[in-house]
Amino acid sequence: AQSVTQLDSQVPVFEEAPVELRCNYSSSVSVYLFWYVQYPNQGLQLLLKYLSGSTLVKGINGFEAEFNKSQTSFHLRKPSVHISDTAEYFCAVIRMDSSYKLIFGSGTRLLVRP
Amino acid sequence: KAGVTQTPRYLIKTRGQQVTLSCSPISGHRSVSWYQQTPGQGLQFLFEYFSETQRNKGNFPGRFSGRQFSNSRSEMNVSTLELGDSALYLCASSLNNLTPGQGPRGYFGPGTRLTVT
Repeated sequence: AQSVTQLDSQVPVFEEAPVELRCNYSSSVSVYLFWYVQYPNQGLQLLLKYLSGSTLVKGINGFEAEFNKSQTSFHLRKPSVHISDTAEYFCAVIRMDSSYKLIFGSGTRLLVRP
Repeated sequence: KAGVTQTPRYLIKTRGQQVTLSCSPISGHRSVSWYQQTPGQGLQFLFEYFSETQRNKGNFPGRFSGRQFSNSRSEMNVSTLELGDSALYLCASSLNNLTPGQGPRGYFGPGTRLTVT
């Protein structure tokens, strides 16, 4: 079975400061990795994904994430956050074999303060 | 290109009733997945349809069912509603299923917020 852990339920940060949202996963098979963002009263929007290749993945809105296979982590980073980045962020995995079922973490609420 | 649309956006039902939610995928997309989002359980996979066939199913009781039509639009139905069914129901669409693991590329709809009283 697969599982995704987002240890931080909320991360407060000041505007223009860097941020890292942590994600660790466990799986008996290889997985693809995703980060989604959810703004209030909206659905999910894909920020970035790791399928293969370079372990450093760049996404939209200045976010990037690094896949670390040995540590089974896929942490999300942004060098300088904006007030508009305040949202809920979800890390997710999907099995490489044949499943289309996304397994989500519990989410991290990023709160950007002026 | 229009995104994934879900109707209705908000719904209030009473216990024991049934409800049908609708999802229209992006034009050309043939796979539709449904997820339930609650504060307690987070985001959980309900089921996935491709070409009118259910290919994957999550761990939900039989009260939760769905179907997909020839135009790829999908509906999910919840019968005998319980208070715990109150949630945001999200739908995601994907182009096809020919490449395993591609999953929904981020094309989620805005969701239907169901409140059961």
